[in-house]
Amino acid sequence: AQKITQTQPGMFVQEKEAVTLDCTYDTSDQSYGLFWYKQPSSGEMIFLIYQGSYDEQNATEGRYSLNFQKARKSANLVISASQLGDSAMYFCAMRERSTGANNLFFGTGTRLTVIP
Amino acid sequence: IAGITQAPTSQILAAGRRMTLRCTQDMRHNAMYWYRQDLGLGLRLIHYSNTAGTTGKGEVPDGYSVSRANTDDFPLTLASAVPSQTSVYFCASRRDSAIDTQYFGPGTRLTVL
Repeated sequence: AQKITQTQPGMFVQEKEAVTLDCTYDTSDQSYGLFWYKQPSSGEMIFLIYQGSYDEQNATEGRYSLNFQKARKSANLVISASQLGDSAMYFCAMRERSTGANNLFFGTGTRLTVIP
Repeated sequence: IAGITQAPTSQILAAGRRMTLRCTQDMRHNAMYWYRQDLGLGLRLIHYSNTAGTTGKGEVPDGYSVSRANTDDFPLTLASAVPSQTSVYFCASRRDSAIDTQYFGPGTRLTVL
């Protein structure tokens, strides 16, 4: 079973509007972390935001917020006031603390296009 | 500027050749990782190292080997490259903190013909 599912291969948003990128996860661990990364066309992976499974409040980082719904196992990324520079691939990822590798499991990504 | 460097940036390689992708970090992170990124599949873990002197296998380790002689360097070797190893390879490292964020290098684009 996929640990991270991103069901939106592509999304479009008007500049200055808000957009939500969906992410659901699957784990039996009680302690885990959820991450979002941005990959622009230049190819680098840029860390955006983190949410711990025990965090009671949704994480926020500037225009990025993570809508964490633990019971639904969802960790959607909300980008407010979209900018042209937000056009990129966005990856949701999870780290389970029970794994020896402490690696990230990634979704297949969502390509966001911001329309002027 | 502190970070992760990878070399080469890109490489075209004949099948059957040996190739080592280099990764160096100067953040003194204990844990390091190699991922490959393929279209439609996201990033998948190849090998990892939790600390110098130790390594482990990830999700797709076949055809690859790693070593971790010191904290800073984590080279990935393809002993005999095959076309299915055509991919973008990312090295990452993780700081030891509650947030456990992984930071990524710029990637190496490898084409095996």
